[in-house]
Amino acid sequence: RKEVEQDPGPFNVPEGATVAFNCTYSNSASQSFFWYRQDCRKEPKLLMSVYSSGNEDGRFTAQLNRASQYISLLIRDSKLSDSATYLCVVSNGTSYDKVIFGPGTSLSVIP
Amino acid sequence: GAVVSQHPSRVICKSGTSVKIECRSLDFQATTMFWYRQFPKQSLMLMATSNEGSKATYEQGVEKDKFLINHASLTLSTLTVTSAHPEDSSFYICSARDHPRQAMNTEAFFGQGTRLTVV
Repeated sequence: RKEVEQDPGPFNVPEGATVAFNCTYSNSASQSFFWYRQDCRKEPKLLMSVYSSGNEDGRFTAQLNRASQYISLLIRDSKLSDSATYLCVVSNGTSYDKVIFGPGTSLSVIP
Repeated sequence: GAVVSQHPSRVICKSGTSVKIECRSLDFQATTMFWYRQFPKQSLMLMATSNEGSKATYEQGVEKDKFLINHASLTLSTLTVTSAHPEDSSFYICSARDHPRQAMNTEAFFGQGTRLTVV
């Protein structure tokens, strides 16, 4: 089983739609969770960290379920500029622990 | 925010030659840096963990004699692809985190990546 798994998509949604991405991880010792965004042929950039209580940043909401080892990202009111690959990222926590990426979920927002 | 600089951004080399890629943390010290490889339409795959002043830790299936990693200072790690072949053509990217070891939930910053093409 892969350490981090995601639905690869692609997700093709119209502008204004709400879309949800799911991610599962296998290492129960994982402590840090993130969603990164990667545009084509570019380096990944942090979208948001994921906290146990869930957190929201504008149109983006992240949830963590430690018992199920499951992370989600919800994007509301999709914009064309949201088109990218969304990477679920997991780490044991401290700065020297390796950061493991999921395979990514591709999103295309259509006019 | 913290900045990680990677150089070169693009390189084309002949089969059999070696290519060195540099990764620098510009405004913080990185005891640990990570090297990833990404093939087209695939995810970033961790190749190795680069530790300042000690040997790198390689992931399973990554040849340590082919991908030489040197982390001689707290701000510089290098990846050398030795005797490169066309199948080594890929997007190589480094990463580092800007917090003490004890800090949790620390963001990883990435270099701009190096697109290697071996002809």
